[in-house]
Amino acid sequence: AQTVTQSQPEMSVQEAETVTLSCTYDTSENNYYLFWYKQPPSRQMILVIRQEAYKQQNATENRFSVNFQKAAKSFSLKISDSQLGDTAMYFCAFSTGTASKLTFGTGTRLQVTL
Amino acid sequence: GAVVSQHPSRVICKSGTSVKIECRSLDFQATTMFWYRQFPKKSLMLMATSNEGSKATYEQGVEKDKFLINHASLTLSTLTVTSAHPEDSSFYICSASGTGNYEQYFGPGTRLTVT
Repeated sequence: AQTVTQSQPEMSVQEAETVTLSCTYDTSENNYYLFWYKQPPSRQMILVIRQEAYKQQNATENRFSVNFQKAAKSFSLKISDSQLGDTAMYFCAFSTGTASKLTFGTGTRLQVTL
Repeated sequence: GAVVSQHPSRVICKSGTSVKIECRSLDFQATTMFWYRQFPKKSLMLMATSNEGSKATYEQGVEKDKFLINHASLTLSTLTVTSAHPEDSSFYICSASGTGNYEQYFGPGTRLTVT
């Protein structure tokens, strides 16, 4: 069974600064997919970024980038130039492939302050 | 594209009654749909996975006779909470994925309150 661990229950960052959210996972699979989801107060789950395990290059999406360390089973999310709208709960998630369930971490609550 | 809707967005029902929640994929064919439950300030817990035309696969500890899931078409899955009790009060979220797609698209969720 796969497990996903997020060791930071809460984080705070000032507007325009950079913050990194940590995520580690455990699996015996070689091919899998990793995701970061954002859940704002509306509770709508929004995909922030995804990474295919077979790709060595770290995924980036505008201000969001990941540091994927496959050997260490680590998948951290870096948010640059933080904005007030980034305030949300962030979940790291793992999937083994198409039509496969997502296993979520416990989440990190990020607060962006002025 | 890839929009998933849920109805209702919130529902209040009396203890002992049943309530149905609908999950629809609006612009793609969802071969697989997932139902999650989320308690306040907690993570999402998968309840079951349903494939169109097949019986749902429930996660360990989830009562299949209490949480009835139907996935009769490629655009609609329903979750029926039968004989609801206050402890069933929660936020229920569905997601859907299409053929050959590993990404899941989430609905906006349904807040169920059982009085």
